[in-house]
Amino acid sequence: DAKTTQPTSMDCAEGRAANLPCNHSTISGNEYVYWYRQIHSQGPQYIIHGLKNNETNEMASLIITEDRKSSTLILPHATLRDTAVYYCILPGGQGNLIFGKGTKLSVKP
Amino acid sequence: GAGVSQSPSNKVTEKGKDVELRCDPISGHTALYWYRQRLGQGLEFLIYFQGNSAPDKSGLPSDRFSAERTGESVSTLTIQRTQQEDSAVYLCASSSRPSGIRTGELFFGEGSRLTVL
Repeated sequence: DAKTTQPTSMDCAEGRAANLPCNHSTISGNEYVYWYRQIHSQGPQYIIHGLKNNETNEMASLIITEDRKSSTLILPHATLRDTAVYYCILPGGQGNLIFGKGTKLSVKP
Repeated sequence: GAGVSQSPSNKVTEKGKDVELRCDPISGHTALYWYRQRLGQGLEFLIYFQGNSAPDKSGLPSDRFSAERTGESVSTLTIQRTQQEDSAVYLCASSSRPSGIRTGELFFGEGSRLTVL
């Protein structure tokens, strides 16, 4: 079973920031949080990951709370092409990634 | 290309037939993963290879499913006596690190869409 909880769906206006929350209250001290997204009919795509410090790359920013029980993925200027299902993931017991149902983000013009 | 390659991209088969799905990972990636995604559903983990061994087969849904990997490269997922509930997209991913930690994120292929009539 997935070890994270995310809202089922969210809407965002084009050009605005999309803030996608994730709860992972059972996270252990050395577990990383990963974010992937899946655009319709494509394989999932890695976005970003983090341990306890906030992270930023060319795709997004990741804000992790001090207690590490939740995080937020931020797409600073969402475009129509960012419409996808976004998955917040913790590694499984053998290092595999367990995908939950994710958040379906719809970016609207 | 340099990405994960899967074949066939589409497969239609009759109930009861066997199918083989192939995955060519990114060269040099030691870890390889198979996932299944039914229509409108999330990804379901099937099996994970580290090199040629499979330390985690916990996700294989039944003994009709098997997978092998040779030469730390190509992997084949075999489904015997296919059933209609096997219809799904089968996704393969590879990683340069076994647990996907730090810089070893998973790179996914485009998947093999299996339809069992």
